Amino acid sequence: EPEVTQTPSHQVTQMGQEVILRCVPISNHLYFYWYRQILGQKVEFLVSFYNNEISEKSEIFDDQFSVERPDGSNFTLKIRSTKLEDSAMYFCASSGLKDEQFFGPGTRLTVL
Amino acid sequence: QKEVEQNSGPLSVPEGAIASLNCTYSDRGSQSFFWYRQYSGKSPELIMSIYSNGDKEDGRFTAQLNKASQYVSLLIRDSQPSDSATYLCAVSYNQGGKLIFGQGTELSVKP
Repeated sequence: EPEVTQTPSHQVTQMGQEVILRCVPISNHLYFYWYRQILGQKVEFLVSFYNNEISEKSEIFDDQFSVERPDGSNFTLKIRSTKLEDSAMYFCASSGLKDEQFFGPGTRLTVL
Repeated sequence: QKEVEQNSGPLSVPEGAIASLNCTYSDRGSQSFFWYRQYSGKSPELIMSIYSNGDKEDGRFTAQLNKASQYVSLLIRDSQPSDSATYLCAVSYNQGGKLIFGQGTELSVKP
């Protein structure tokens, strides 16, 4: 069964450093998303991506964040200068015509 | 502000019982409704989607939607200890649109 994959599973970084989180969505899906979940809190939407451009972004997704689909399979989230409050689980998701979003296993980001 | 509300629980039920999880949403423009299961430290796993008023059954799970009351529920029949997890209600407003999640209801099924 197709699934969303994410790498790395855990990333530890120093405050101010850049991180890139990687995702491979389900191959025939058209819509791609990033969400995050701070420990003990709700899952929060960050950004959605369709047809090679951002379709929607939240207030959290400021100039420090960017997304890219560098080739036909990968979807990346870059945080340019990490802050302590960026520590969270980051989930990639994808959906097709049926509008059901399937989530990857997540990347745990720890900013020290 | 579009909101999705759930009781945080914990909801405790004995093995074999029916677990009933509830969710309300604030925006009548909501189009699609989902239930996800999240085990501790893991990602959300889609278990049910529902788009129109009424009931939708899939195995031991039944989702119920009432758009007039802005209410979605999930029933789990014959609850098993392996059903112990946090159940997340989520809504979206258009195809390809973001999901707005509730805070989740923690379910504990006691053997």
